[in-house]
Amino acid sequence: AQTVTQSQPEMSVQEAETVTLSCTYDTSESDYYLFWYKQPPSRQMILVIRQEAYKQQNATENRFSVNFQKAAKSFSLKISDSQLGDAAMYFCAFMDSNYQLIWGAGTKLIIKP
Amino acid sequence: DADVTQTPRNRITKTGKRIMLECSQTKGHDRMYWYRQDPGLGLRLIYYSFDVKDINKGEISDGYSVSRQAQAKFSLSLESAIPNQTALYFCATSDFSGIDEQFFGPGTRLTVL
Repeated sequence: AQTVTQSQPEMSVQEAETVTLSCTYDTSESDYYLFWYKQPPSRQMILVIRQEAYKQQNATENRFSVNFQKAAKSFSLKISDSQLGDAAMYFCAFMDSNYQLIWGAGTKLIIKP
Repeated sequence: DADVTQTPRNRITKTGKRIMLECSQTKGHDRMYWYRQDPGLGLRLIYYSFDVKDINKGEISDGYSVSRQAQAKFSLSLESAIPNQTALYFCATSDFSGIDEQFFGPGTRLTVL
């Protein structure tokens, strides 16, 4: 069975600093998609960034970027210049060949002013 | 107006009661999903539907049923609610390919006493 593991239940970072959230996954598939979603206190799930496994280039969206290591089955999220509005739960998710999302347990990100 | 709406937003009910959670979308997507979120467990898929005539069980379908009344509407029912069904429930949609992001509703917080 495919699994997604987020080993950091909680992370904190000083405002304007950089933080990296970890995610590993387990699959035997070669083509798949990976996502990072953000859930602020409003509880709305918001897509942060996505990565296609067949692309070697790491995805980037403004201050958010990923380090995708396919062989290691690792998909970490880097947030640069952290802002107070980045405080949220962050979920890593894997999309399998049936287009179903398998989710990690989440990492709570705290931003210190 | 929100693209994906859920009603009710919050609900408290008693053990044994029948509950229906409703989801509507204006995105024109064929695919719709129901997830459950519990603290420390991330999201888990309950049911999903790729079109009006196609409904599939997800990881945790026991105790739940669904109805896809139209392309835009997907309802989740708890036939006889029990306390361990207390959770946050999300509806989501995606386009036909499923490889694009899933768009989430605001969630329904259900408490079963």
